[in-house]
Amino acid sequence: GQQLNQSPQSMFIQEGEDVSMNCTSSSIFNTWLWYKQEPGEGPVLLIALYKAGELTSNGRLTAQFGITRKDSFLNISASIPSDVGIYFCAGLMDSNYQLIWGAGTKLIIKP
Amino acid sequence: DGGITQSPKYLFRKEGQNVTLSCEQNLNHDAMYWYRQDPGQGLRLIYYSQIVNDFQKGDIAEGYSVSREKKESFPLTVTSAQKNPTAFYLCASSIFGPGGSSYNEQFFGPGTRLTVL
Repeated sequence: GQQLNQSPQSMFIQEGEDVSMNCTSSSIFNTWLWYKQEPGEGPVLLIALYKAGELTSNGRLTAQFGITRKDSFLNISASIPSDVGIYFCAGLMDSNYQLIWGAGTKLIIKP
Repeated sequence: DGGITQSPKYLFRKEGQNVTLSCEQNLNHDAMYWYRQDPGQGLRLIYYSQIVNDFQKGDIAEGYSVSREKKESFPLTVTSAQKNPTAFYLCASSIFGPGGSSYNEQFFGPGTRLTVL
């Protein structure tokens, strides 16, 4: 099946650093969703985006719906240990109702 | 509390046996989904159902079967035909509707880890 290009695959960061990750596609999307998954648990929805250019925040997290409708970005400011986990993007195209998923970005905080 | 429950959390099966994973939701969502996740991998869609008594194959349906007899329940059976069933299985639900809205936000259960011995 189709998959979004999510990068980076993993990130090693120091506590307090800002984090950026993104998802890109050659297709146009009408919805972008960002999830976080912790080990052994189901993904939890963090931010949902519905309009091109939209910028939405959830605490220290900010996500943007790319103006071309083919990409989305997630930023985490001032990272803390509990930010550790895998972040997934998912998008919905006009042509069908099924979410297309990225492969995930694993966030690891250096001790 | 509204949510999605999956049981059991851990499941062990002998080769050649069928096993059924439970998924129940009390969110009054129309659509339900089953995903498979392998270590270090993303989510792959097995089956989905947008309405009671109807379901569609996803990307990796071979060796799996589902039923949707009730709105709140969407059990997944892993059959002996599934060649590599050891994985983490996730169930999700959503309202279901046109794109560009909250209708298709999927909410996940805690998952079932299946191990074939």
